Amino acid sequence: NAGVMQNPRHLVRRRGQEARLRCSPMKGHSHVYWYRQLPEEGLKFMVYLQKENIIDESGMPKERFSAEFPKEGPSILRIQQVVRGDSAAYFCASSGSYTGELFFGEGSRLTVL
Amino acid sequence: QQQVKQSPQSLIVQKGGISIINCAYENTAFDYFPWYQQFPGKGPALLIAIRPDVSEKKEGRFTISFNKSAKQFSLHIMDSQPGDSATYFCAASMDSNYQLIWGAGTKLIIKP
Repeated sequence: NAGVMQNPRHLVRRRGQEARLRCSPMKGHSHVYWYRQLPEEGLKFMVYLQKENIIDESGMPKERFSAEFPKEGPSILRIQQVVRGDSAAYFCASSGSYTGELFFGEGSRLTVL
Repeated sequence: QQQVKQSPQSLIVQKGGISIINCAYENTAFDYFPWYQQFPGKGPALLIAIRPDVSEKKEGRFTISFNKSAKQFSLHIMDSQPGDSATYFCAASMDSNYQLIWGAGTKLIIKP
């Protein structure tokens, strides 16, 4: 049973470009969460989605960031017009219910030049 | 009030020793307290979790101690091994709120 799959594992972008990070949840999981982690820091909640719905995006910056979890296919975190401060590890987690254990992917590490 | 304060930031323990990491919270509505383990380049993985109806939970060499009146909980790793070297995060949430509040993490190094 495959775990949470994230790709790409590493992504380099120049300032002003777009970054797209993908997350396929564990089989049978319909709850997806995106977190951001800066070096030597804890995780910061960004957004919680269920299939075709954004449940809570209170942790996501109001501009340039968006997330979706379509009926078919992976969840996508999209960062438009990236800036150096967006450089971080972005982790996706999934669960079988909204109170269930979170299972994390290995993360996507974004570097903005 | 939503913060979870974790200490120490880093910890070095000799192989076979006891590793202790502490966390404190303020929001008395929190009722779920997990610990996650993260190896370099990997995502966090749930290690052990406790709810406030018990004061201690043990799984193998890992024990959570919970002090409800002090609003503190700690992770104890007995007979620490080099393979335990990782970053450990405590977290807290309300059962009605999926959103975990994370501590800043403790980098644990076990010296052979």
